[in-house]
Amino acid sequence: GAGVSQSPSNKVTEKGKDVELRCDPISGHTALYWYRQSLGQGLEFLIYFQGNSAPDKSGLPSDRFSAERTGGSVSTLTIQRTQQEDSAVYLCASSRDRTMRSQFFGPGTRLTVL
Amino acid sequence: DQQVKQNSPSLSVQEGRISILNCDYTNSMFDYFLWYKKYPAEGPTFLISISSIKDKNEDGRFTVFLNKSAKHLSLHIVPSQPGDSAVYFCAASAGGGATNKLIFGTGTLLAVQP
Repeated sequence: GAGVSQSPSNKVTEKGKDVELRCDPISGHTALYWYRQSLGQGLEFLIYFQGNSAPDKSGLPSDRFSAERTGGSVSTLTIQRTQQEDSAVYLCASSRDRTMRSQFFGPGTRLTVL
Repeated sequence: DQQVKQNSPSLSVQEGRISILNCDYTNSMFDYFLWYKKYPAEGPTFLISISSIKDKNEDGRFTVFLNKSAKHLSLHIVPSQPGDSAVYFCAASAGGGATNKLIFGTGTLLAVQP
């Protein structure tokens, strides 16, 4: 597609429920990143996928967070047993490959945990 | 520990004048720096970047300056336009690793007054 797309754009959930957030990167981009932006904060790195390599999960804040990337394209970020502190905007970015240093972001998913 | 700092949360500038946004970093391993612009409810939009082998990069109205000895970079917008009003994020990455994850500052809200 023309740009990175994410769905849903907004998600409201109750504490303790699981949520799935989806990212479609730019076509042909092999590198995919997840970030989140909490209120008043900068963007915080969560996880990175590059082709078929093992993902870099070093930014995931707890084991309730997981992500997968199927077929080297679409990625899903899953948050289990959501907590109020998980409320944030979750942003996905892609780049052509790891040599391309500039990343292009999607519109984000605003997650609110009540 | 905030590795990328934007110490001015907001900046107000008259239309047609120069806007100067500043960013400081602490990690000497950073070798690539980027500026993103973000409108409310949208994802960050890539503006301009600079490699650590350069001290200046220009693209139209936007110029980024890098002072490695001071670990400081700045974004100049000349002339400023009302449509430039947005939050500007500075980001940095350290090459050579498996992940080109971006480390972001907390952003500066630019308001360009007509």
